[in-house]
Order: sequence, then C-alpha cells, then structure tokens
Amino acid sequence: QKEVEQDPGPLSVPEGAIVSLNCTYSNSAFQYFMWYRQYSRKGPELLMYTYSSGNKEDGRFTAQVDKSSKYISLFIRDSQPSDSATYLCAMSRDRGDSWGKFQFGAGTQVVVTP
Amino acid sequence: DAGITQSPRYKITETGRQVTLMCHQTWSHSYMFWYRQDLGHGLRLIYYSAAADITDKGEVPDGYVVSRSKTENFPLTLESATRSQTSVYFCASSAGPYNEQFFGPGTRLTVL
Repeated sequence: QKEVEQDPGPLSVPEGAIVSLNCTYSNSAFQYFMWYRQYSRKGPELLMYTYSSGNKEDGRFTAQVDKSSKYISLFIRDSQPSDSATYLCAMSRDRGDSWGKFQFGAGTQVVVTP
Repeated sequence: DAGITQSPRYKITETGRQVTLMCHQTWSHSYMFWYRQDLGHGLRLIYYSAAADITDKGEVPDGYVVSRSKTENFPLTLESATRSQTSVYFCASSAGPYNEQFFGPGTRLTVL
C-alpha cells in the first residue's frame, strides 16, 4: 500500500466552480504538506505549503490539513481554464530516516471547461 | 540563465547503454533531487544530495548512480539502461530539506 493516496481523476469542472482535491496518507509522522501544480510537459511548481494541521489561504487557493483523519485537501475557488493541470500532493516527516524526503501522490488531473 | 536546467530534454537509447542526464542550478541550493515520474506512480525519489559530495538513496535507486562534485551540478547516470527505466526524469533543488523544491523542465527518456 502506498503511503500517499491520490485519486488520478480526471476531474472535470465548469469554469467558475470550486475544485476540491484531496490526498490521504498512512504515516502519522508526516508534518510537512505541499501541493504542486504541473502543467503538461512541464515540471511541478509549488502552490501551497503547510506545516502540521490547519488551514492556509492564498488568493483563490485554500489548503487544509486534518492530521486526525490523515487527510489533506486543496480547494480552488472561481476556477479558470488556466487551472487545468495535474495537482500533486507531497508530504514529509521531520525526523527519522525519511528526513527531508517528500512522498508524492500520483497526482489528480483537473480540467476546467469554459 | 537563472534557475534549474536539465539536458538533454529528450533522449532515446538502447537497452544496455550508459546514459547520463545532466542537472544544473544557479541558486547555489544545498539540496538537489532526482525523481522519476511514471503514470500511476507520481513522482518517486531516486537519489538526493544534501551538499557537494553528500548523496543518499531515495525510494527507487537501483540501476542509477549519482555524483555531486560541484554544488550546482547533479548528474544522474543509468549504468546499463533497461526498458523499465523509460520515464520522465525531473531534477529539483531546494535551499533546505523542507524548503520549496524547484523543479527543472524534465528529461523524457525512452529505452528501446
């Protein structure tokens, strides 16, 4: 079983809708949580970064971490066609032999239709 | 150019050949990483380096060799390429182990 699970999609939404993405994980030691966006044939780029639990908002993007449920979410409000991409979650422990090594989800493909 | 670059961008090789993928960053980041990306698996860490001359294995290191004699360069070598190593390879760098990782544009490798 993978440590990080992410539905690959595709997730298709109309322009203006809220996009809801999530990842589940099995390792309770994960403390650092990231969301990356990857356009086709490009490298991933960081969207959101949170430590431990809680919410973080940046413009149209909100990241949530629920450590009790081992579940993280990314919400995109007022989605635009330019949000069409693959979104990857990533997480890491802060100590032990996995120190600094991020585990990535498989990525969810999002398509925002005009 | 500032940033992180990878070369070549595309490579076709044959089974058994040695292949080296290059990665160069201009930020003087201490940490550098090599990932492979395959459908259904996401990004998997091959090797990483915390500083020049310090490297460590990631999740899928078998069949790969890395070196880091200079901070800015982190080449990845496939000693004897196999078809299972057909993949997209991404190099990344960061200022620290938990800092944002900046990714290169990727190298698309096909092993025939």
